Amino acid sequence: EIVLTQSPATLSLSPGERATLSCGASQSVISGYLAWYQQKPGLAPRLLIYDISTRATGIPDRFRGSGSGTDFTLTISRLEPEDFAVYYCQHYGTSSYTFGQGTKLEIK
Amino acid sequence: QLQLQESGPGLVKPSETLSLTCTVSGGSISDTRYYWGWIRQPPGKGLEWIGNIYYSGSTYYNPSLKSRVIISIDTSNNHFSLKLSSVTAADTAVYYCARQGSGYYYWGQGTLVTVSS
Repeated sequence: EIVLTQSPATLSLSPGERATLSCGASQSVISGYLAWYQQKPGLAPRLLIYDISTRATGIPDRFRGSGSGTDFTLTISRLEPEDFAVYYCQHYGTSSYTFGQGTKLEIK
Repeated sequence: QLQLQESGPGLVKPSETLSLTCTVSGGSISDTRYYWGWIRQPPGKGLEWIGNIYYSGSTYYNPSLKSRVIISIDTSNNHFSLKLSSVTAADTAVYYCARQGSGYYYWGQGTLVTVSS
């Protein structure tokens, strides 16, 4: 089972700034099956990125996923007010799915 | 537009079995491209994958919950279900159902299940 560790736990930034969120895997994600989600209070998570770097339908291009092996990154190029939320990475495969513990992106 | 809706009791007593159903509309649960899953989120905490099921009935479970979980599918009625036995207060959470393709794109709104006597 792959364990995902996200950092930082909390990230404080201002609108217009660039956000960089990290997700580290306990073993190599050879399949490339790594996703990112955004969750706002009281709502279900929203899929942002799948297969490491493919944006889901309707996701603006300021969201970018990258990485390989055990190190993955979600970059938000210019923060909009609606981007402040909790972000989770997820590994998915045929038989095993795990989530990271989340990064809270808060307004500075 | 695909929609998923969780249903079931919001309160379960300790040691009893939690049972939830996810009804799918706007698409077929027999679509061979997708798995169907359950995810939960304790209040104020992160997401935990519970398990997935394929239309054929093949299941995959979180190893930490495997001894207590059964996920089943009813293709005739386009729904799938979760049973979690011997619940404790630690099982109190919002339970989501979702469709897994490349990531979980479609989610239900979630239902809060509280374990309390």
